[in-house]
Amino acid sequence: DTGVSQDPRHKITKRGQNVTFRCDPISEHNRLYWYRQTLGQGPEFLTYFQNEAQLEKSRLLSDRFSAERPKGSFSTLEIQRTEQGDSAMYLCASSLVSSGTRELFFGEGSRLTVL
Amino acid sequence: DQQVKQNSPSLSVQEGRISILNCDYTNSMFDYFLWYKKYPAEGPTFLISISSIKDKNEDGRFTVFLNKSAKHLSLHIVPSQPGDSAVYFCAAPLSATALIFGKGTTLSVSS
Repeated sequence: DTGVSQDPRHKITKRGQNVTFRCDPISEHNRLYWYRQTLGQGPEFLTYFQNEAQLEKSRLLSDRFSAERPKGSFSTLEIQRTEQGDSAMYLCASSLVSSGTRELFFGEGSRLTVL
Repeated sequence: DQQVKQNSPSLSVQEGRISILNCDYTNSMFDYFLWYKKYPAEGPTFLISISSIKDKNEDGRFTVFLNKSAKHLSLHIVPSQPGDSAVYFCAAPLSATALIFGKGTTLSVSS
């Protein structure tokens, strides 16, 4: 069991650039989540996939954000025209449908720094 | 509007003593609660949960107590160990698919 893996672990970019993060969930997990964590805060929900379908999006997910899970396996989170306020840790998590949100398995996160 | 609140940013205890981490919530519709632990440079890991129909759940050194009338839950760690030093998050289901987390409490256990 390799766990949830995220890439890259750290991304530094200039304001206005686009960035993309990738998440590989635990292989048998069909639920996938993206959360964002800023300094001094707990993780905040961004979006949820069941298999390839994006079923829920938070109002935090502005139009500059897009997430995909094309084949129901890995997922990508793209941020277009990055702003300094996008600097945060982006966490991916996965779970089984049977466990719902009762036990999410988080990856180590992708830290974004926007200069 | 913070629906899950952890009012103590940090807690320091000595090894072998009890650690008590507190969490308050405002939404009486939450039907279960979870605690996650996070070490630096790692993602949060699930620790223990409790259903709203229970007032206590125990797992080894970790016990969570729920007081629904006070909308309060607490995590007890007995005995505390240096390896327990981490950030602890209280969480509850905002929907069927999303959790809402508190801001976390940093626990430091000294030997």
